[in-house]
Amino acid sequence: AQSVAQPEDQVNVAEGNPLTVKCTYSVSGNPYLFWYVQYPNRGLQFLLKYITGDNLVKGSYGFEAEFNKSQTSFHLKKPSALVSDSALYFCAVRDPTGGFKTIFGAGTRLFVKA
Amino acid sequence: DAGVIQSPRHEVTEMGQEVTLRCKPISGHDYLFWYRQTMMRGLELLIYFNNNVPIDDSGMPEDRFSAKMPNASFSTLKIQPSEPRDSAVYFCASSPGQGAVDTQYFGPGTRLTVL
Repeated sequence: AQSVAQPEDQVNVAEGNPLTVKCTYSVSGNPYLFWYVQYPNRGLQFLLKYITGDNLVKGSYGFEAEFNKSQTSFHLKKPSALVSDSALYFCAVRDPTGGFKTIFGAGTRLFVKA
Repeated sequence: DAGVIQSPRHEVTEMGQEVTLRCKPISGHDYLFWYRQTMMRGLELLIYFNNNVPIDDSGMPEDRFSAKMPNASFSTLKIQPSEPRDSAVYFCASSPGQGAVDTQYFGPGTRLTVL
């Protein structure tokens, strides 16, 4: 069965500093991996995805994520955090051999302090 | 494009009442997903459709829940009878399908409160 874990409930970072939001996954085959962001009272917004190819994926708003197969991780990163990045971030995984059911992590709340 | 449209945005009802949530996906999208979000359980996939056909409803919690997609531009999620534990935010999402099936576009959600 596929699963995804976000080990941190909350990440605090100062504006201008680099940020990392962690994600690990478990899937039987080659995973499809995703990051979504949710702002208060809004639906989730797609940030980026890894399907195949280059392990470093670039997405919206300056975010990027690195796929590490040996560590089964897909951490979200940004070189310089903005206060407006404060939101709830979800990592998600799909086993492409098992239909289109996407499993979402519990979410990590990011606080960027000015 | 207006994006995924959900109605109502907020629903307050009493236990035992029927609740119907509505979703209009983005035009041309072949996939439609219904999710439920709660503090305790996070974001859960309830059911998804491909070309109006239900593909996986294993996440539907009980027989009280049902979902339909009578055409490509409309879907409903119905709870009958509703219970307080059904209180949650319900999201609808759609996806283009071929080539971009894994990019889901979420609606703003319906916040359901069952008293």
